[in-house]
Amino acid sequence: SQKIEQNSEALNIQEGKTATLTCNYTNYSPAYLQWYRQDPGRGPVFLLLIRENEKEKRKERLKVTFDTTLKQSLFHITASQPADSATYLCALDEGNTGFQKLVFGTGTRLLVSP
Amino acid sequence: GAGVSQSPSNKVTEKGKDVELRCDPISGHTALYWYRQSLGQGLEFLIYFQGNSAPDKSGLPSDRFSAERTGGSVSTLTIQRTQQEDSAVYLCASSSLGSSGNTIYFGEGSWLTVV
Repeated sequence: SQKIEQNSEALNIQEGKTATLTCNYTNYSPAYLQWYRQDPGRGPVFLLLIRENEKEKRKERLKVTFDTTLKQSLFHITASQPADSATYLCALDEGNTGFQKLVFGTGTRLLVSP
Repeated sequence: GAGVSQSPSNKVTEKGKDVELRCDPISGHTALYWYRQSLGQGLEFLIYFQGNSAPDKSGLPSDRFSAERTGGSVSTLTIQRTQQEDSAVYLCASSSLGSSGNTIYFGEGSWLTVV
C-alpha cells in the first residue's frame, strides 16, 4: 500500500542547532515533493518544493534533499530559532489524477528551546 | 481577498444535524480543494474543483458529504446527518492552477465538533 511516513515523535533541539526532519514514502513515484509548516490552530503554509531531478534545494535557513532511490526527503533548518517551533508536513502528488492531488504525511512537531 | 477565507472558524453541532462550511478562495484562483485533518492524522483529500470542470469527488468519505462551487469562486462543503467521527478540521485551499507544482494556499480551517 502507499504510505508517507514522518516521525510522529516530537523533535526537541536547542536554539542554534540544525534540525533534521525525515519523510519516507513507499509505493509512490512522485515527480516532486513539498514541505509545509503548520502552527497550532492554523492551516499549513507552503515552504519548499523539490523536483525528482533535484538533489537539493535551499531557501534561507531551509534545505531539502530528495533521494528517489531511498524514497526519502530530508528537511533541514540550520541555526534554528524558537520561532521555528511548529509541525512540519511533507506532501507529494499522488499522480495520474490529472491534477495536483497532494497526499500528506502526519507531520513531525519541532520544538526549539532557547 | 488576500488569503483563503473559511467560515465558520469553529462549529459545534449535535449528532444528526447538517452543517455547511464555506470557503472563499484567493481571487483569480481556479483550483479549489477541500481537505480534512483529524486529530493526529495527516490531511485527507476530500474534493477538488477546477474552473467549470466536473469536480473530482474521489475523496469524499460517504454520501453524507457533498460540495459545490458557485460561479467558480465560493465553495460550500455540506455534511448531512453528522456523526461524531466527522469531528475534524476542514481545510480549504486554492491555487492559481490545478496542475502539478503550483503552490497551494490553505485557509485557517473550520473546526467541527460533533457532540
